[in-house]
Amino acid sequence: DTAVSQTPKYLVTQMGNDKSIKCEQNLGHDTMYWYKQDSKKFLKIMFSYNNKELIINETVPNRFSPKSPDKAHLNLHINSLELGDSAVYFCASSPLRRGYEQYFGPGTRLTVT
Amino acid sequence: AQSVAQPEDQVNVAEGNPLTVKCTYSVSGNPYLFWYVQYPNRGLQFLLKYITGDNLVKGSYGFEAEFNKSQTSFHLKKPSALVSDSALYFCAVRPTSGGSYIPTFGRGTSLIVHP
Repeated sequence: DTAVSQTPKYLVTQMGNDKSIKCEQNLGHDTMYWYKQDSKKFLKIMFSYNNKELIINETVPNRFSPKSPDKAHLNLHINSLELGDSAVYFCASSPLRRGYEQYFGPGTRLTVT
Repeated sequence: AQSVAQPEDQVNVAEGNPLTVKCTYSVSGNPYLFWYVQYPNRGLQFLLKYITGDNLVKGSYGFEAEFNKSQTSFHLKKPSALVSDSALYFCAVRPTSGGSYIPTFGRGTSLIVHP
């Protein structure tokens, strides 16, 4: 069984559109994350969410918003897409306790034209 | 603030030779340290971690890493490299308490193992 899954795997869309990426984990973890990986492969944390708090990287534009319908899901909504949003987006999960590693999804490659 | 440095963008090694991928960190207090590997077009996979105890930790695929508190380093090693080890490697750190529980990742090191 897939531990952390994301849909879609590829997303091609035009500037100005609104899109969502879904993430689900079946590990029973209480914390989920969204990362952006740019063309140079640098990883940037965007959001971290558990049932107590949402932590937002202050550099993330407010066009991006996480939505968590339940503990197993953390979806990423993006409004008014821009060319610079093109990247690979990874969802991850872990227990909240700091000694635990993260489990990553397979990624969603977003291309904005 | 916590930070991680991976000083080499790329490491080249011949198959069968030992490999080292370097990582140094900065964190308030004691660290939890992690290594992840990313194969092309895949998500990151956990390799190994240092929590406490023995400074030499062993992980998946024959990799190991040595925690050195005085040098604030956590270098990834393997005695004999395989071509299939070619991938992107990330080091990450979390403080054991205080600060942010969100791990800080290094910029990644591309490991290329030549046949």
